[in-house]
Amino acid sequence: QQPVQSPQAVILREGEDAVINCSSSKALYSVHWYRQKHGEAPVFLMILLKGGEQKGHEKISASFNEKKQQSSLYLTASQLSYSGTYFCGTEGRGSTLGRLYFGRGTQLTVWP
Amino acid sequence: EAQVTQNPRYLITVTGKKLTVTCSQNMNHEYMSWYRQDPGLGLRQIYYSMNVEVTDKGDVPEGYKVSRKEKRNFPLILESPSPNQTSLYFCASSLEATGPMNTEAFFGQGTRLTVV
Repeated sequence: QQPVQSPQAVILREGEDAVINCSSSKALYSVHWYRQKHGEAPVFLMILLKGGEQKGHEKISASFNEKKQQSSLYLTASQLSYSGTYFCGTEGRGSTLGRLYFGRGTQLTVWP
Repeated sequence: EAQVTQNPRYLITVTGKKLTVTCSQNMNHEYMSWYRQDPGLGLRQIYYSMNVEVTDKGDVPEGYKVSRKEKRNFPLILESPSPNQTSLYFCASSLEATGPMNTEAFFGQGTRLTVV
C-alpha cells in the first residue's frame, strides 16, 4: 500500500515552481506531506482530509483528488530553504487502521 | 517544549548483542510508531501503538520488539541484531489513536544504528 511519488528528484533555480505527485492504489481518506532535510527528522508540512479540509503550511499548497486517489504538492517561487526530501503519507483503514504508509520520497534541490 | 526524544542518536554494535533504543514523548499523544529509513526506500513502519498495552506490526517487524507500558514511552528492542538492521530509525507520535493521519506526526531526531 506504499504510495507512489513522482518525480524521484527535482532540481530548480530559486524562484521556479515545482509539483510533486503522490498516488495510491487504495482509497485515500487523508494525505500527509512531510519534508526532511539532510540528517534531520521529517517535519510536518500539511494534511489534506477527505472532503476538502486542508491544514498546514502557508507558503506551500496541495491538492487532494479523492476520485483519482492522488495528491499533489505545489511549491511556487521556490526558495533555497525548500531543498530537502518530500514524503507523502497515507493511512490504512479497516484491518490496517493504524498503519501509515510513506512514499519513497522526492528529492528537491534548489540552487541560487 | 513539545518533543519526541530518542536515545541514543548513534550506535555501533556487534551482531547478536541485544540493544534497546528508547523513545519518549511529552505531548500526551495516544499514537506512537517506529520507522526505519533506508536509501531509496523511504520510511517503512516497523511497529505502532494506538494506546498503552496495544501494539501492532507494521511493514517490517521481523527482528524487532516493542512495548508500550506507559503512554509516553515506546522502546524499540533488537534481541539479536544483524547487519541488515543497519539503518536510520525514527520514532514518531501523533495525538489521536483512531485516526493517526488526521493529526500531524512528530518525529524524534533519529537513531543511526550500525551492526557489524
